[in-house]
Amino acid sequence: AQKVTQAQTEISVVEKEDVTLDCVYETRDTTYYLFWYKQPPSGELVFLIRRNSFDEQNEISGRYSWNFQKSTSSFNFTITASQVVDSAVYFCALSERANQGGKLIFGQGTELSVKP
Amino acid sequence: DTGVSQDPRHKITKRGQNVTFRCDPISEHNRLYWYRQTLGQGPEFLTYFQNEAQLEKSRLLSDRFSAERPKGSFSTLEIQRTEQGDSAMYLCASSFGPIDTQYFGPGTRLTVL
Repeated sequence: AQKVTQAQTEISVVEKEDVTLDCVYETRDTTYYLFWYKQPPSGELVFLIRRNSFDEQNEISGRYSWNFQKSTSSFNFTITASQVVDSAVYFCALSERANQGGKLIFGQGTELSVKP
Repeated sequence: DTGVSQDPRHKITKRGQNVTFRCDPISEHNRLYWYRQTLGQGPEFLTYFQNEAQLEKSRLLSDRFSAERPKGSFSTLEIQRTEQGDSAMYLCASSFGPIDTQYFGPGTRLTVL
C-alpha cells in the first residue's frame, strides 16, 4: 500500500541555520511522482517541487534543495540559511501512475519554526 | 491566471445543518480534486472529477457528502446533517491531467458546533 512518512513532527531552528526535512515513502508502483508543498499559517498549500521516479537527479532552487534516493525510498528537503519566512508546515506527497486518478497521498507534515 | 479559489473561506454551522462549499479551478484545468485536512494531519483525498464526471470517491466520503461539477468548471461540495466530526479544512485542487501538478486553493475551514 502507498504511504508517506514524515517522522519529524516539529523542527525549530535559528535563522541562518540549515535544516533538512525528511520524507520516506512506500509504493509498489514503478512509476510514481513525489511532491513537496508548503503550508504557511494562511492555510493555502503552495507547490514547491515535483519529481518523477525515473529522475533521481538532485535539484536546487535558490536556498532550497531536494535529495531523491530510490534505494532508501526517501525524498528529503533541505533549506539552506533558513529565514523567518520559511516558518510553515511542509508536506511531502506521493502520486502513483497506476492510480489513474492522480490522487495525492500526503505525509503528516513537519512544522518548521525559524526564530530570529 | 487567478489560481484556484474557494468560497467561503470560513463557515461556522450548528450540528445538523447543511453546508455547501464552492471551488473554482484554474480555468484550463480538467481535473478537480477535493481533500479534507484535520488539525495536525496531512490532507486526505475525498473525490475527484475529470471535467464533469466524478470518477472516484474515497470511503471517507459518506452518504452525507455529495460533490458536483455540473459544467466541468466550478465544483460544489455539500455536507448534509453536519456532525462535529466534519469540522476540518476542505481543500480544492486542480490540474491539467492525472500526472500533472495539483494546485490548491486557500481552503474552506468548517466548524460544526
